[in-house]
Amino acid sequence: NAGVTQTPKFQVLKTGQSMTLQCAQDMNHEYMSWYRQDPGMGLRLIHYSVGAGITDQGEVPNGYNVSRSTTEDFPLRLLSAAPSQTSVYFCASSSSPGGRNIQYFGAGTRLSVL
Amino acid sequence: GESVGLHLPTLSVQEGDNSIINCAYSNSASDYFIWYKQESGKGPQFIIDIRSNMDKRQGQRVTVLLNKTVKHLSLQIAATQPGDSAVYFCAENSGNFNKFYFGSGTKLNVKP
Repeated sequence: NAGVTQTPKFQVLKTGQSMTLQCAQDMNHEYMSWYRQDPGMGLRLIHYSVGAGITDQGEVPNGYNVSRSTTEDFPLRLLSAAPSQTSVYFCASSSSPGGRNIQYFGAGTRLSVL
Repeated sequence: GESVGLHLPTLSVQEGDNSIINCAYSNSASDYFIWYKQESGKGPQFIIDIRSNMDKRQGQRVTVLLNKTVKHLSLQIAATQPGDSAVYFCAENSGNFNKFYFGSGTKLNVKP
């Protein structure tokens, strides 16, 4: 019962460093998404994918890149980390049966950029 | 983008009482809504959803009400338990399945 797995759980970066947040799901879901959650705010969509090889931007895509080479994996890349990217990042997947998009979320990655 | 917000940031209830969490949305084209529960240190967990062609939907101890006239939905939790303590989010969608807009959340505290 793995579901959606995110790694790492915690990360501290210095300004300008790059890193990749990993996300993997074992439910054969076509849809995967990345969100960020800032204190006192709801989740905001960064990027999403509707299948392998297909990605699109969400509400706050600047500073982030994604790719989807397999159905299972959807990594999020920070090219040059900035303090404004300090946040909790959640990955989600869904199969959208009949148009109902019940998203299953990972436990999150807590990122601090100094 | 769309605006989805909650009326009350924090709600405290006594164990056994019913809880009502409210959410307002601004996009009249929104046609699908989801309530999520987020416990401390965890990702959001699906509770219940509703489509715009419905006014009410019931689950186990939870009911979602949708009032399209005033663009408002609510989550009712019956016989609230300590395990219900969490932050609750509403999210809305207007056709693009992967573009959901989340409210800022309401924290529910259940007092024993």
